[in-house]
Amino acid sequence: GEDVEQSLFLSVREGDSSVINCTYTDSSSTYLYWYKQEPGAGLQLLTYIFSNMDMKQDQRLTVLLNKKDKHLSLRIADTQTGDSAIYFCAERLKFSGGYNKLIFGAGTRLAVHP
Amino acid sequence: NAGVTQTPKFQVLKTGQSMTLQCAQDMNHEYMSWYRQDPGMGLRLIHYSVGAGITDQGEVPNGYNVSRSTTEDFPLRLLSAAPSQTSVYFCATSVAGTPGQDTQYFGPGTRLTVL
Repeated sequence: GEDVEQSLFLSVREGDSSVINCTYTDSSSTYLYWYKQEPGAGLQLLTYIFSNMDMKQDQRLTVLLNKKDKHLSLRIADTQTGDSAIYFCAERLKFSGGYNKLIFGAGTRLAVHP
Repeated sequence: NAGVTQTPKFQVLKTGQSMTLQCAQDMNHEYMSWYRQDPGMGLRLIHYSVGAGITDQGEVPNGYNVSRSTTEDFPLRLLSAAPSQTSVYFCATSVAGTPGQDTQYFGPGTRLTVL
């Protein structure tokens, strides 16, 4: 089945690290994505990881993938107030006609406080 | 280069009314899609198109129609609005083909309320 689960809320202090977790169910997922949604805006791609990788680092962002456990995490180092947003995990599956379907989690709301 | 634009930003309808949500892109992307976002449910795919003249259903197509007469535009029609269609609607586009390069670009969304 196709399902992506995330915790709904995370609160961190400014300057600390944030870790947002995600689990997915479809082992045929080839790419996994993290999107950020700021209030009143659409989704913005933050980063993605290919399923044969364990880790990907991009400035303050670190993505860890445990394919055996179907677990994905996003670590934000030195979290800033501008990081406050909803973060969506998504897995990429093939859909009919070759279209690459994204299955989204419900999103984790990150609140950063001083 | 405006990217993906959606109009209107907000809309209130009465049950039974019809309307069209507009989506336009200037990136020459082949793939376009419509999602709805509901609290606690993430985004769900309504309809998608892999090119002009080609559309197909997503996960939750009932009550919605689409057409793709040009590469640039992908309107979403609500035929007879129902309160269950109260949601935020996002249009997304992507380039076909190479895995990892088919990043989806999202529009700013349309917030629809059906009374």
